[in-house]
Amino acid sequence: EAGVTQSPTHLIKTRGQQATLRCSPISGHTSVYWYQQALGLGLQFLLWYDEGEERNRGNFPPRFSGRQFPNYSSELNVNALELEDSALYLCASSLGGARASTDTQYFGPGTRLTVL
Amino acid sequence: GQNIDQPTEMTATEGAIVQINCTYQTSGFNGLFWYQQHAGEAPTFLSYNVLDGLEEKGRFSSFLSRSKGYSYLLLKELQMKDSASYLCAVRDRQDSSYKLIFGSGTRLLVRP
Repeated sequence: EAGVTQSPTHLIKTRGQQATLRCSPISGHTSVYWYQQALGLGLQFLLWYDEGEERNRGNFPPRFSGRQFPNYSSELNVNALELEDSALYLCASSLGGARASTDTQYFGPGTRLTVL
Repeated sequence: GQNIDQPTEMTATEGAIVQINCTYQTSGFNGLFWYQQHAGEAPTFLSYNVLDGLEEKGRFSSFLSRSKGYSYLLLKELQMKDSASYLCAVRDRQDSSYKLIFGSGTRLLVRP
């Protein structure tokens, strides 16, 4: 069974540009979580999508946004990039609905975003 | 508030046993996870505790005490490939969210 996949693996942008990161969950999973891991820091929760809806967001500015498609894949958009947005962006998936409260989150390989 | 504490670094010898501790404070506790993360790679799931006690899975065991806000990950028969960061994460159900709150991770170095 395929795991969580993310694309691209690496992304280099300049300040002020926009970045789009993509995630495909494990088959059967409807919940997608996005986390940011800046160098030397712990993972920080960004966004949670379940069954096509944004369910919760972390303490990040509105220029971090995203969506979930009918096939449950997800996209994270970061507008007006700043240098401090350079980080590893990880996507995780789990079963959704009521099962989101008990299921394990499995992580994809991440997208390393570098902002110059 | 929400807080997860774990040691920054630990060193152990191949073949030995190491215990990585984690203490947490959260208002909506809904389970504790341990993940392993090699440098530049994604976290991989190791264990999950939601009730008090010990969960054993091969060379890895994890313990939880909810009353003390405390967990540990026990690694036995250490191998060189166990050199990695170990992340303690608490699932928080506050605000009807099931996000994971992570500690900063413990970097484990296994020496020959």
